[in-house]
Amino acid sequence: ETGVTQTPRHLVMGMTNKKSLKCEQHLGHNAMYWYKQSAKKPLELMFVYSLEERVENNSVPSRFSPECPNSSHLFLHLHTLQPEDSALYLCASSQRTGFDEQYFGPGTRLTVT
Amino acid sequence: GENVEQHPSTLSVQEGDSAVIKCTYSDSASNYFPWYKQELGKRPQLIIDIRSNVGEKKDQRIAVTLNKTAKHFSLHITETQPEDSAVYFCAAIHSGNTPLVFGKGTRLSVIA
Repeated sequence: ETGVTQTPRHLVMGMTNKKSLKCEQHLGHNAMYWYKQSAKKPLELMFVYSLEERVENNSVPSRFSPECPNSSHLFLHLHTLQPEDSALYLCASSQRTGFDEQYFGPGTRLTVT
Repeated sequence: GENVEQHPSTLSVQEGDSAVIKCTYSDSASNYFPWYKQELGKRPQLIIDIRSNVGEKKDQRIAVTLNKTAKHFSLHITETQPEDSAVYFCAAIHSGNTPLVFGKGTRLSVIA
């Protein structure tokens, strides 16, 4: 349960705010992911990093900006969000992209007011 | 790219009955099919997976079957229990360098 951690667990922000979500994995994995989970799209892949290089960007609006400074840390920088961006943001990691099991973090519940 | 369809979106069964969730995929080159379970308020976790070189895999009360010709795979849960209540996600992938494509999930409710 502590292999992938996320902070904060809850975040309320206004549309003009700038905030960051943090993910840390203690599993020695080389791939990390950001997912958005909402009622409309239960597991929507946003970004994939492999060995600190971004390998996937699923047409995510530029108000979401990922950063992967090393293989253990992943950030999601948020600015000028919209109310429809309110969702649970899940981070995950795996040994490699593709066939390996993904380990998810507990998520950050984001509310944009 | 790959597209995964999952049905039904919700499923209610009586405790002790079986539950079946079905998924179809579009890319005939896909060769790895995992299933994740997400309990209420918790994170998704892998429960079983199957590769395209086998047609069926079983682990206690859960099993997955794969029909490559028809491009569909299914999750079977027998003797359901209340703790099986959760959202189940299927996924598919065809290359070790591409990420999983998930279905939209099935909310399973097991009624005691």
